[in-house]
Amino acid sequence: QVQLVQPGAEVKKPGASVKVSCKASGYTFTSSYIHWVRQAPGQGLEWMGLINPSGGSTTYAQKFRGRVTMTRDMSTSTVYMELSSLRSEDTAVYYCARGGENNPSRSDYWGQGTLVTVSS
Amino acid sequence: DIQMTQSPSSLSASVGDRVTITCRASQDISTYLAWFQQKPGRAPKSLIYAASTLQSGVPSKFSGGGSGTDFTLTISSLQPEDFATYYCQQYNSYPLTFGGGTKVEIK
Repeated sequence: QVQLVQPGAEVKKPGASVKVSCKASGYTFTSSYIHWVRQAPGQGLEWMGLINPSGGSTTYAQKFRGRVTMTRDMSTSTVYMELSSLRSEDTAVYYCARGGENNPSRSDYWGQGTLVTVSS
Repeated sequence: DIQMTQSPSSLSASVGDRVTITCRASQDISTYLAWFQQKPGRAPKSLIYAASTLQSGVPSKFSGGGSGTDFTLTISSLQPEDFATYYCQQYNSYPLTFGGGTKVEIK
């Protein structure tokens, strides 16, 4: 079965960077995009961008360009999302989600989320 | 960016009720519309994609409709496990955008 496994939590200081992992299993890693979506406490869902694990190409939301980097490690079927220059407003749960098989822009399976807390 | 507007933002309903949530896009997105269910402390779960196609394993009490700019999600007979927050998302163009959510609560 498709699984996306993420670490539970990270705590970072303002100005630092965080790198969140998303380990995929149960399907062919290179056959589906991976999206990243975040959710601030008590708020809605916000799409950050995606990576195509096959070639490593990325598409980022304008809001995060210059601060976000998405990469992949083919040897471990893991995708990473690094967010730099963290501020308190970046405190949120960060989810990875697999792109759909018939349309990679939609999402079907989601990871359980990683809570990133930015605090001094 | 395409703006997605959901209504209502919250609703109270009883077990067995038929519930409809609407989602409006700021421009034509054809049928590139998905619906997700999220329970507290859990990741979103895919319910419907392509406006009306049920994700595998999702019960048929959920149905979706619409095209262009106006869409609906209907739950035919609300059950206790359906009390959650529902989000629409357009995937017609980047950046992908979500509606603000509709919280379905027990009356």
